[in-house]
Amino acid sequence: DAGVIQSPRHEVTEMGQEVTLRCKPISGHNSLFWYRQTMMRGLELLIYFNNNVPIDDSGMPEDRFSAKMPNASFSTLKIQPSEPRDSAVYFCASSLLAGPSYEQYFGPGTRLTVT
Amino acid sequence: GENVEQHPSTLSVQEGDSAVIKCTYSDSASNYFPWYKQELGKRPQLIIDIRSNVGEKKDQRIAVTLNKTAKHFSLHITETQPEDSAVYFCAAPFRDYKLSFGAGTTVTVRA
Repeated sequence: DAGVIQSPRHEVTEMGQEVTLRCKPISGHNSLFWYRQTMMRGLELLIYFNNNVPIDDSGMPEDRFSAKMPNASFSTLKIQPSEPRDSAVYFCASSLLAGPSYEQYFGPGTRLTVT
Repeated sequence: GENVEQHPSTLSVQEGDSAVIKCTYSDSASNYFPWYKQELGKRPQLIIDIRSNVGEKKDQRIAVTLNKTAKHFSLHITETQPEDSAVYFCAAPFRDYKLSFGAGTTVTVRA
């Protein structure tokens, strides 16, 4: 199993540009999480999908952020327009069943730098 | 929501000594407590977890203890080795699917 796959691994963009981060969860997992990690705020949950349906997006910072999961094997996190304060490492994680009592497997992350 | 506090924020230990990291949580309904290890530039990975029906769990050199009455749990690493140097995060569930993470502890094992 290849694990959770994220792309790109690194993204450098200018303020105002659109950024799209991609995630392929582990096959068979039905829960998908998007996290943001910064030194100041640590690991923050942005959005949670269960069976491709967004369950909780209360962690999404603002309307510039949006996430989709069109099928069980693909999800995107889009930032438009991007701002320097969006610079962070974005992790996607998946788990087998809903609920926190099941291990979340993290992808390698996308390091985003907005200049 | 669930509030998870983690201490200390940094920990430096001599190789071979033990390291202990403590976390407290606020939601008495929480029943699952994982610990993640994140090496520099890498992803967080689960190293051990404990459920509320047990008070202690061991896996080789790592162990986790849970005190539900006091609402705290701890990670113990014995006979530390250089490869144990990393950031360790505790977590506790909130709303059955969210994991609230502690702020992390940077552990440095001195050779």
